[in-house]
Amino acid sequence: GAVVSQHPSRVICKSGTSVKIECRSLDFQATTMFWYRQFPKQSLMLMATSNEGSKATYEQGVEKDKFLINHASLTLSTLTVTSAHPEDSSFYICSAWPSGGASDTQYFGPGTRLTVL
Amino acid sequence: QKEVEQNSGPLSVPEGAIASLNCTYSDRVSQSFFWYRQYSGKSPELIMSIYSNGDKEDGRFTAQLNKASQYVSLLIRDSQPSDSATYLCAVSNYGQNFVFGPGTRLSVLP
Repeated sequence: GAVVSQHPSRVICKSGTSVKIECRSLDFQATTMFWYRQFPKQSLMLMATSNEGSKATYEQGVEKDKFLINHASLTLSTLTVTSAHPEDSSFYICSAWPSGGASDTQYFGPGTRLTVL
Repeated sequence: QKEVEQNSGPLSVPEGAIASLNCTYSDRVSQSFFWYRQYSGKSPELIMSIYSNGDKEDGRFTAQLNKASQYVSLLIRDSQPSDSATYLCAVSNYGQNFVFGPGTRLSVLP
């Protein structure tokens, strides 16, 4: 149980394009999902908290107009990197927190490696 | 500012030895404590959770919690080369304010 998927697992795009990453909780509902970014040999950095049916909460220094988050259902959150640039190349990981208080831990997706040329 | 601190490592131990990973946290109201393992290029996976003072054992892993000292540790017995990874400590208050430490890189030498 508690499986989270991400799609795509890897994406290469040209500078200036937008990239959408999907995060799905496969066997549970998640009112709250989290988006992290991790640069090589660095720790996880929380970018934003995604709440179903409401606006995402962004961490300080994360541009909400550049990293668009939509959490339209209890099993799906999307992160869109708009007008991507090479410095946005990173490993993007989502996690989902099961709804209903049954769990107080997050379950991570497998991550999406973004390379912007 | 809630903080979780870990030695970055690398911590090197010989195969078969006990690896000891430590974590301290600043928020005294924290109630939930987690250890995640992250292999290079992969996302973190949960390996242990602990909520009460004392020890919790699961196979070769033992988590230890001391809330008075604001300290949580993970012991890995009979370390294997496949245990080589980065271990992330995470702390929360019943699922709120989830904070990760920077991680400790463990290298188990064959």
